[in-house]
Amino acid sequence: DIQMTQSPSSLSASVGDRVTITCRASQSISSYLNWYQQKPGQAPKLLIYAASSSQSGVPSRFSGSGSGTEFTLTISSLQPEDFATYYCQQSYSIPLTFGGGTKVEIK
Amino acid sequence: QVQLQESGPGLVKASETLSLTCTLSGGSTRTHYWSWIRQPPGKGLEWIGYLYDTGSTGYNPSLASRVTMSVDTSKNQFSLKLRSVTAADTAVYYCVRRWRSGTYTDAFDIWGQGTMVTVSS
Repeated sequence: DIQMTQSPSSLSASVGDRVTITCRASQSISSYLNWYQQKPGQAPKLLIYAASSSQSGVPSRFSGSGSGTEFTLTISSLQPEDFATYYCQQSYSIPLTFGGGTKVEIK
Repeated sequence: QVQLQESGPGLVKASETLSLTCTLSGGSTRTHYWSWIRQPPGKGLEWIGYLYDTGSTGYNPSLASRVTMSVDTSKNQFSLKLRSVTAADTAVYYCVRRWRSGTYTDAFDIWGQGTMVTVSS
């Protein structure tokens, strides 16, 4: 199985801050990497697919980059509605696996 | 737009079979991949498996011995059965569309709201 490791596991930030979350794969996954946002009591929502492509309707402040084993999700200017948990997920091979999540909290 | 809704018992006894159904509205189960994903309380996401409208399936090896997925295209439904459940199977279960298109695009783009299933002893 491909292990996905996110860092940090949690962070505190203020509205307007630039936030970067890292996801590392235990082996190369090319660009088969997706990012999701999950708010309490809700299902996850797809933000970024294929490492850097934004899902329709996702604000432009969210961006993804990387390939191979290291990937980042960046929120350019954190908004109140962005406080949530973020997960990366690889779709390179079965079993499809998720990172452990990064909880973004209000400072 | 396409919407997914899970249904099934919220409480299952240990050693019995968990059975859930996902009903699709606003679209068809045909020509798409479908998945089940679960999330134990306070924990992360675990992919259970996928199926295609032809009935072909792929399961997480950690659960494969206990899982069966099936699709009923005439009812626009797909289902999950998980046998011999234990407390470790207590989780929110999501039915999800697996969107696959071209190179690198393989993601879970539409999610049901999720249904909590508790395994009781």
